[in-house]
Amino acid sequence: DSGVTQTPKHLITATGQRVTLRCSPRSGDLSVYWYQQSLDQGLQFLIQYYNGEERAKGNILERFSAQQFPDLHSELNLSSLELGDSALYFCASSARGGPNIQYFGAGTRLSVL
Amino acid sequence: GENVEQHPSTLSVQEGDSAVIKCTYSDSASNYFPWYKQELGKRPQLIIDIRSNVGEKKDQRIAVTLNKTAKHFSLHITETQPEDSAVYFCAAVENNDMRFGAGTRLTVKP
Repeated sequence: DSGVTQTPKHLITATGQRVTLRCSPRSGDLSVYWYQQSLDQGLQFLIQYYNGEERAKGNILERFSAQQFPDLHSELNLSSLELGDSALYFCASSARGGPNIQYFGAGTRLSVL
Repeated sequence: GENVEQHPSTLSVQEGDSAVIKCTYSDSASNYFPWYKQELGKRPQLIIDIRSNVGEKKDQRIAVTLNKTAKHFSLHITETQPEDSAVYFCAAVENNDMRFGAGTRLTVKP
């Protein structure tokens, strides 16, 4: 167990809908990262937050947004969902904002039907 | 932005043999290079990492080498075992942006 908690584990929804994925980082970690992993694909970096502020942005679509709250948990919001958004979404956390070991959560598997 | 290429995409070895996975990166400012192992249906887990001020690092059967001039780094697994079978991802970090390679599916045949 990495100490990073993601909910829900599975999510099934329809095209056009909006969902929210939640992540609680390891105790004491200030940075949260979001990744998308499509079937048999690599890990695509979406976005990073550090202590409540956006720190880095990767290949995140405009339909997606994220935030980190004062208690350091983070949410990834996916809207106007398309079939191609079906993927495993991972959250990771690290202690500091710079290059540091990232610990991954178990992921949320999103299925868009 | 950073671009990481990883080869090979699949690798099959006999138990006891060595396995080598290679990655190249494009941004010379990248200074941290972790390797993750992802077993089927599970989360990626860090197995070893190296920072840009080090050329080689070893942890039991796993070693990583870094050539900053050529901008490539490699993962070496010796005496492979069936439980080493997984997908391995390299990554390069520049500032706070971590970019992963496409992954290598390693199969160790008993």
